[in-house]
Amino acid sequence: DQQVKQNSPSLSVQEGRISILNCDYTNSMFDYFLWYKKYPAEGPTFLISISSIKDKNEDGRFTVFLNKSAKHLSLHIVPSQPGDSAVYFCAARLNSGNTPLVFGKGTRLSVIA
Amino acid sequence: DAGVIQSPRHEVTEMGQEVTLRCKPISGHNSLFWYRQTMMRGLELLIYFNNNVPIDDSGMPEDRFSAKMPNASFSTLKIQPSEPRDSAVYFCASSTPPLAGGEQYFGPGTRLTVT
Repeated sequence: DQQVKQNSPSLSVQEGRISILNCDYTNSMFDYFLWYKKYPAEGPTFLISISSIKDKNEDGRFTVFLNKSAKHLSLHIVPSQPGDSAVYFCAARLNSGNTPLVFGKGTRLSVIA
Repeated sequence: DAGVIQSPRHEVTEMGQEVTLRCKPISGHNSLFWYRQTMMRGLELLIYFNNNVPIDDSGMPEDRFSAKMPNASFSTLKIQPSEPRDSAVYFCASSTPPLAGGEQYFGPGTRLTVT
C-alpha cells in the first residue's frame, strides 16, 4: 500500500514554461514533505521542503504547495530549464520524527529546449 | 565533508556469487538507510539503522539479503547468493539528527548487475 503516490511517471515541458509535478498522500499523520531531485548516475539530492503548518514554500524558481484537506502537494518550477530534466521524488515524514521518509516512485521530467 | 560514500560504483557478477556493497555515512549522522531503486518499484527502503542498531528490516526482500553496521562510520549490504532479479541501483543514505526523521543525504549509488 503506497502512502505517497506520484501518479505521473513522466512529464515533458518546453523550456521557459511551467513544470508542475504532483504528489498525493494517504496518511494524515505526515507533517513534513520534501522533494528530491535525481540525475542519472547520481543519488537523489534534497530540493525543497514544506511543513504541514504552511501551504506554500518558495525557493527561487521552485515552489511547493500543500493542500492538506486534499492530501496533495505539488512542485512548480518556473521557468523550466533544460538542466531541470531529472527524476523528482516526493517524500513525507510522520510527525513522530523518528521514522524514515516515505518516498513516492518518482516523476521523470524532461525539459525540451 | 565528502558526503555519503558508496563502493563499488558498479558491480557485475554472476548468479550465485556473493556481493557486498559498502557505505560510509556522513560523520555525525545517527541514522543510515539502504534503498534499492528499480523502474517498477521506485525507491524501496530495505533496512535502516539508528545509532548502529538495525531498527526495521522489513523491506529486505529475502534471507539472501543481510546488512550490518559495525560502527558509526561503516555499513555493508550483502547478497548471498545473488540472482539476476537483484539487478538494481542500491543507495545508501544517512540523515541528520534527530534520528531517522531528519533530512536524508544519499550516496551516488552502486549499480549491480547479476548475470
